[in-house]
Amino acid sequence: DGGITQSPKYLFRKEGQNVTLSCEQNLNHDAMYWYRQDPGQGLRLIYYSQIVNDFQKGDIAEGYSVSREKKESFPLTVTSAQKNPTAFYLCASSRSGGSGANVLTFGAGSRLTVL
Amino acid sequence: SQELEQSPQSLIVQEGKNLTINCTSSKTLYGLYWYKQKYGEGLIFLMMLQKGGEEKSHEKITAKLDEKKQQSSLHITASQPSHAGIYLCGADITGANSKLTFGKGITLSVRP
Repeated sequence: DGGITQSPKYLFRKEGQNVTLSCEQNLNHDAMYWYRQDPGQGLRLIYYSQIVNDFQKGDIAEGYSVSREKKESFPLTVTSAQKNPTAFYLCASSRSGGSGANVLTFGAGSRLTVL
Repeated sequence: SQELEQSPQSLIVQEGKNLTINCTSSKTLYGLYWYKQKYGEGLIFLMMLQKGGEEKSHEKITAKLDEKKQQSSLHITASQPSHAGIYLCGADITGANSKLTFGKGITLSVRP
């Protein structure tokens, strides 16, 4: 079955360390997204990519980096510059173009805790 | 400021009761998308509304978009424990079909 796989499910990090969250999809979707979810804050967009080798900053990109070298993969690196990285991270994908572009398929999420 | 306001913030209902939750924006919504989330999991797409006055139903859930395309409601008939979760509305507020802005979500609990 097609879907999105995020790994790891849980991750613990010491302050000052960079960590990379994996997101892989086999839906043949062109667009991929990274959201951050904090209690009571809803979802906030970190980065998104509508095509391979291209990506755009979302609303809270500072302290994060991404790459889109393959259509199937959109890894997110949480750098030491991110001041408050403890959160639940969600990856999503969608078709590009038209109203269906915003019908997102989400992964199960990765919970990052900074110790 | 929050571009999408969801109300109420949380809701507890008795099983079998009807309920309505809302999503409001000060801007025109070019597309309104309802998602459901179980705590600690990803979001599941429920319904998409694009036209003013549009209404869609799936099983016991009905979503509407007002004529001005600035407010949407989600109505659940005869609620069940399986309806419990977090309901988030997402909207295209730019018209570019490139990304969604989400509300903070509404936590629904259904008492058996």
